Amino acid sequence: AQSVSQHNHHVILSEAASLELGCNYSYGGTVNLFWYVQYPGQHLQLLLKYFSGDPLVKGIKGFEAEFIKSKFSFNLRKPSVQWSDTAEYFCAVNVDYKLSFGAGTTVTVRA
Amino acid sequence: DVKVTQSSRYLVKRTGEKVFLECVQDMDHENMFWYRQDPGLGLRLIYFSYDVKMKEKGDIPEGYSVSREKKERFSLILESASTNQTSMYLCASSSDRGKGAFFGQGTRLTVV
Repeated sequence: AQSVSQHNHHVILSEAASLELGCNYSYGGTVNLFWYVQYPGQHLQLLLKYFSGDPLVKGIKGFEAEFIKSKFSFNLRKPSVQWSDTAEYFCAVNVDYKLSFGAGTTVTVRA
Repeated sequence: DVKVTQSSRYLVKRTGEKVFLECVQDMDHENMFWYRQDPGLGLRLIYFSYDVKMKEKGDIPEGYSVSREKKERFSLILESASTNQTSMYLCASSSDRGKGAFFGQGTRLTVV
């Protein structure tokens, strides 16, 4: 069965620091990859997605992610975080209609 | 805007009760999902459906069943609620055109 692993459970940063969240998946075939964000008290929202083409994907709010097929990874990055980026971040993999999520990473940005 | 609406925001039920959680989407999406979200465990897939009357087990289907009689509606059923089913339940829908899944606001279920 496919699985999605997120490396960090909780990340604490200061404003303007750079952020990188790791995500690895275990499925060997064609996958669609996503990062979602959940701000406190809000719905999950789609940050960005990768289906094919350029492995460097840009999303909303200055986030980007890089798909490295050989490493089965889809890491999320932001060069300079803001206090408003405090949220929980989830990596997700879609295979054959099934959409599976990682355990999530809580990001706390200190002002 | 895509809208995924879950029938209740908060629900309290007694052990042994049969519980229905309803979800409706208004974008004619083919695929619908039910997850539960627990701290430290992320979102775990309970069941999903890729077409009317079609359903597939997710990773943790035990104790749950689903119904999809119409394309826009996907119901999660707890046949006999237990305290370990206390959780946040999230419904989502997506299209085969692949824009990602859209989520409802969640139902926080407490089983006492």
